[in-house]
Amino acid sequence: EAEVAQSPRYKITEKSQAVAFWCDPISGHATLYWYRQILGQGPELLVQFQDESVVDDSQLPKDRFSAERLKGVDSTLKIQPAELGDSAMYLCASSTGRRNIQYFGAGTRLSVL
Amino acid sequence: ELKVEQNPLFLSMQEGKNYTIYCNYSTTSDRLYWYRQDPGKSLESLFVLLSNGAVKQEGRLMASLDTKARLSTLHITAAVHDLSATYFCAVDYLSGTYKYIFGTGTRLKVLA
Repeated sequence: EAEVAQSPRYKITEKSQAVAFWCDPISGHATLYWYRQILGQGPELLVQFQDESVVDDSQLPKDRFSAERLKGVDSTLKIQPAELGDSAMYLCASSTGRRNIQYFGAGTRLSVL
Repeated sequence: ELKVEQNPLFLSMQEGKNYTIYCNYSTTSDRLYWYRQDPGKSLESLFVLLSNGAVKQEGRLMASLDTKARLSTLHITAAVHDLSATYFCAVDYLSGTYKYIFGTGTRLKVLA
């Protein structure tokens, strides 16, 4: 069964350092999402791609976060510099189109010290 | 402010009992999603409800949608321990593009 791949699974970093997360969606899925989930809360959408284009990044803290999906396949989310408040699970999801079922990856748990 | 609220936030129930989780949302939406999340794991899609009055069932779980009341319910029948997890509802709404909001989550613990 096809899955959304994410790496790394865990990342520990010190504040002010740069971190990057990678996501490979299910083959053929045009829509890709990055979410942040703080412990005990629901996921919060950070950015949504349709193919290689950003269709929504209204919740992305653009002063420190960036996301790209250059060839419309895999994607990278970067934080620079990381802050203590960025500690969370970062989830990637993909779907065949907007408004369709989203399939989530296992996530990257980030701890900022 | 757009909100998706679930209640209860925490639910501890005995095996074999029935219970309902409620999801209220404050925006106009004709589509609602239910997900399950096990501790430390990712989210798994349970149901997509596509229109007013939609009802879907899978095993001991049944979800329904009332778009006029902006309410969805997730009913658990004869709970078993394996249903212990956190359940999230989510809605999408149109604001330029379709945006996605998750609910607060309901942490369910089924006691043997």
